[in-house]
Amino acid sequence: AQKVTQAQTEISVVEKEDVTLDCVYETRDTTYYLFWYKQPPSGELVFLIRRNSFDEQNEISGRYSWNFQKSTSSFNFTITASQVVDSAVYFCAPPTGGGNKLTFGTGTQLKVEL
Amino acid sequence: GAGVSQTPSNKVTEKGKYVELRCDPISGHTALYWYRQSLGQGPEFLIYFQGTGAADDSGLPNDRFFAVRPEGSVSTLKIQRTERGDSAVYLCASSLLASSYNEQFFGPGTRLTVL
Repeated sequence: AQKVTQAQTEISVVEKEDVTLDCVYETRDTTYYLFWYKQPPSGELVFLIRRNSFDEQNEISGRYSWNFQKSTSSFNFTITASQVVDSAVYFCAPPTGGGNKLTFGTGTQLKVEL
Repeated sequence: GAGVSQTPSNKVTEKGKYVELRCDPISGHTALYWYRQSLGQGPEFLIYFQGTGAADDSGLPNDRFFAVRPEGSVSTLKIQRTERGDSAVYLCASSLLASSYNEQFFGPGTRLTVL
């Protein structure tokens, strides 16, 4: 069975600190995709990035970077120099059950304070 | 361009009533998904359409829930004999195609409250 785990329920940081959010996806599939979404207090889910399991290179987009470690099935998401506007719940979500429906983790609530 | 829209944004109803929730996907997107999000939880899959047909409805909790997409664009989620446990935010998403590669874009959701 496939399982998505976001062990960090809530993280609080002070603005300008770097923060890393963890996601572990256990599956028997050898290749797969994983999506990251952000849900700010307004409630609307915002797509951030799609990563695939056969690419272990870090990907960087502005202050965001993603790292995949196949040995531990971990997709980590790092925000550099965090800002108050980064405060949100972050979900990782692999497509499962035929590759179309997203299975969301429980999310990590990130609070960035001044 | 316009994103996914959902109406109403809020719906309050009494237990036992019938409700309809509407989703208007991004133009040109052939796949449409419905999810339900309870407080403090991640969204849970309900059903998805590829074109007009329901390709996977395995997430619908019981036969009180039904969804249609008659012309392959707008979709309506229908809930009969609502129960208090149906209270949640109902999210709609669309993607270009129903594949594991294509990202899904979400609407703002409909908050359903069953009294």
